[in-house]
Amino acid sequence: DTAVSQTPKYLVTQMGNDKSIKCEQNLGHDTMYWYKQDSKKFLKIMFSYNNKELIINETVPNRFSPKSPDKAHLNLHINSLELGDSAVYFCASSQGAGGGETQYFGPGTRLLVL
Amino acid sequence: GQNIDQPTEMTATEGAIVQINCTYQTSGFNGLFWYQQHAGEAPTFLSYNVLDGLEEKGRFSSFLSRSKGYSYLLLKELQMKDSASYLCAVRDSNYQLIWGAGTKLIIKP
Repeated sequence: DTAVSQTPKYLVTQMGNDKSIKCEQNLGHDTMYWYKQDSKKFLKIMFSYNNKELIINETVPNRFSPKSPDKAHLNLHINSLELGDSAVYFCASSQGAGGGETQYFGPGTRLLVL
Repeated sequence: GQNIDQPTEMTATEGAIVQINCTYQTSGFNGLFWYQQHAGEAPTFLSYNVLDGLEEKGRFSSFLSRSKGYSYLLLKELQMKDSASYLCAVRDSNYQLIWGAGTKLIIKP
């Protein structure tokens, strides 16, 4: 009964491929996020959805496309993978989109692009 | 620009006390979070401060001074399992979380 789950946990792929990462939360939260954590450990917000609607869309290449089929799921599709996409991608969720909402993180997906 | 500063790395001894500082410059302020992240794992929530002062939670305490743009996380009675990175994050006026790079805490016996 994991609160926020991501699949796959590890992803090794070739440059130019297209891949997807899936995220699901069973906390009943309204808001979900995708973060990228690079080798320097900076956590950078990529996207945020509130009740299936996009509310944060940081400056990321349009090769990255999030999809939220329902408020419990937020998937990330990446087209034409590049070496610089190698990082750990974390999904997170929170009850709401503002105020003192604690974010709960998934275990992360370690993406390595060769 | 928006900026969160934390020391990159700190070392402390088991059983001792350590204070991890965080200074921030953000467009607005709507709360400050501390998260713990063990190597290879996801960040987990430790504390949240929105008003000035000290919040105590067991061995961990977090302090905030909004006028100084400053917070610290105080860890007492250090245990080996406290070896981790500690991330400071500030919610700005747009309710976006701005993250620091984290402080890697090394605990020695």
